[in-house]
Amino acid sequence: GENVEQHPSTLSVQEGDSAVIKCTYSDSASNYFPWYKQELGKRPQLIIDIRSNVGEKKDQRIAVTLNKTAKHFSLHITETQPEDSAVYFCAASKSNQGGKLIFGQGTELSVKP
Amino acid sequence: GAVVSQHPSRVICKSGTSVKIECRSLDFQATTMFWYRQFPKKSLMLMATSNEGSKATYEQGVEKDKFLINHASLTLSTLTVTSAHPEDSSFYICSARGLRGAWDVFGPGTRLLVL
Repeated sequence: GENVEQHPSTLSVQEGDSAVIKCTYSDSASNYFPWYKQELGKRPQLIIDIRSNVGEKKDQRIAVTLNKTAKHFSLHITETQPEDSAVYFCAASKSNQGGKLIFGQGTELSVKP
Repeated sequence: GAVVSQHPSRVICKSGTSVKIECRSLDFQATTMFWYRQFPKKSLMLMATSNEGSKATYEQGVEKDKFLINHASLTLSTLTVTSAHPEDSSFYICSARGLRGAWDVFGPGTRLLVL
C-alpha cells in the first residue's frame, strides 16, 4: 500500500523567512496530493493541493511542487508570519479511484516573531 | 460552503459503556466519509472508510466489532465505540468527500476520554 514520509518533523523559522516541508510517496499510481494545516485542537484545513498533471501550483504565499519521477512533493511558504505556526500534513491518494488519503507524519512549524 | 460538523465535541464516559459520535455534512452530500483517530502530536490514522448504504471498509488492525460505523444517508455517518476502555481515549475526526470528490472536508473532531 501507499506510504508517505514527511520531513522535517519540526521546523522553526524567523518571521519573514521561508519554510519548506518535503514529502515522498511510494505508490506511483497516486495522483492527488493535498496539504492540510492543523492548529492545536482544531480540525485539519486544506491549504493547497496539486494533481499529478501539473508540476507546480501557487496561491499567494503558498506553493506546492511535484516531482512525479522522484515521487516527492514539497510545500513552500514564503514571508512566514506567526499565524502560520501550526502542524502541516501532506497526503497522497489515488483520487480517480475514490482512494483514501494517506497522511505523512506531520511537521510542526513554529514562526518566531 | 462545504462544512462538516461532529457531535459531541467532547465526551467523558465510564469504562465499559458505548459512545456514539455523529459526523454530518451540512451543505453537501457526501458519498464517502472517513473516520480517523489522532493521538497527541501525531498524524491522522485512518480507521475506516464509510460509503452510504454499504458496509464500512476497515483498515488493518481496526476492530470492526469495537468501532461500529453506520452511513445511513448522504449527510450522516456515525461511529460507535462499543465497550470503551481507557486505551480508546483519543481524538476522533471524520471527513466527508462530496459527490464530485474534489477534496475531503474535515469535521472539528471529538475528544473522547474513557475513565
